[in-house]
Amino acid sequence: SQTIHQWPATLVQPVGSPLSLECTVEGTSNPNLYWYRQAAGRGLQLLFYSVGIGQISSEVPQNLSASRPQDRQFILSSKKLLLSDSGFYLCAWSVPDRGNHPPLHFGNGTRLTVT
Amino acid sequence: QQQVKQSPQSLIVQKGGISIINCAYENTAFDYFPWYQQFPGKGPALLIAIRPDVSEKKEGRFTISFNKSAKQFSLHIMDSQPGDSATYFCAAGYSGTYKYIFGTGTRLKVLA
Repeated sequence: SQTIHQWPATLVQPVGSPLSLECTVEGTSNPNLYWYRQAAGRGLQLLFYSVGIGQISSEVPQNLSASRPQDRQFILSSKKLLLSDSGFYLCAWSVPDRGNHPPLHFGNGTRLTVT
Repeated sequence: QQQVKQSPQSLIVQKGGISIINCAYENTAFDYFPWYQQFPGKGPALLIAIRPDVSEKKEGRFTISFNKSAKQFSLHIMDSQPGDSATYFCAAGYSGTYKYIFGTGTRLKVLA
């Protein structure tokens, strides 16, 4: 069966510090990978998605970046965190079936607090 | 035009009651409308979904009602249970993309 691992579960970082959140998927090949941010009152905001190694699409201009160095690994990074980067970050995967709206499978998220 | 508006923001229902969450959209290109359920500290999980060629879909106690002309859809939870207490997100997607537009979420609390 497929599983998704996301870590760390919680993170407190000072303003201006770097960020690296990692997500890995097991049990499937060539998944679509996604980073979402959940902020209070704003729902789930798609930040990045990837359909293959090295292929990253950015949805929201900001000081965050994403990389996919391996087929089932997705990394969210920042060189300098802002207070506004605080939130609940969710990694998700889906099978690459564009025509049939495959469901998103989410990890358990990382609660990031920038102080 | 890409927004999905969800209401109410929070909802309290007595055990055994009916919970109703509403969503509205503008983009008529949307052709898939899922609902996700999220428990505290967890990621959302797909609960039920509907396509615009049907007006209703039922899975157990959960029903989606869809009104294409009004561009609205809603989730009904019949015989609500304390275990249904969670945050519910509606979403919309359209063919040819991998992206979903999510509503802002509804925090449901079912009182025992």
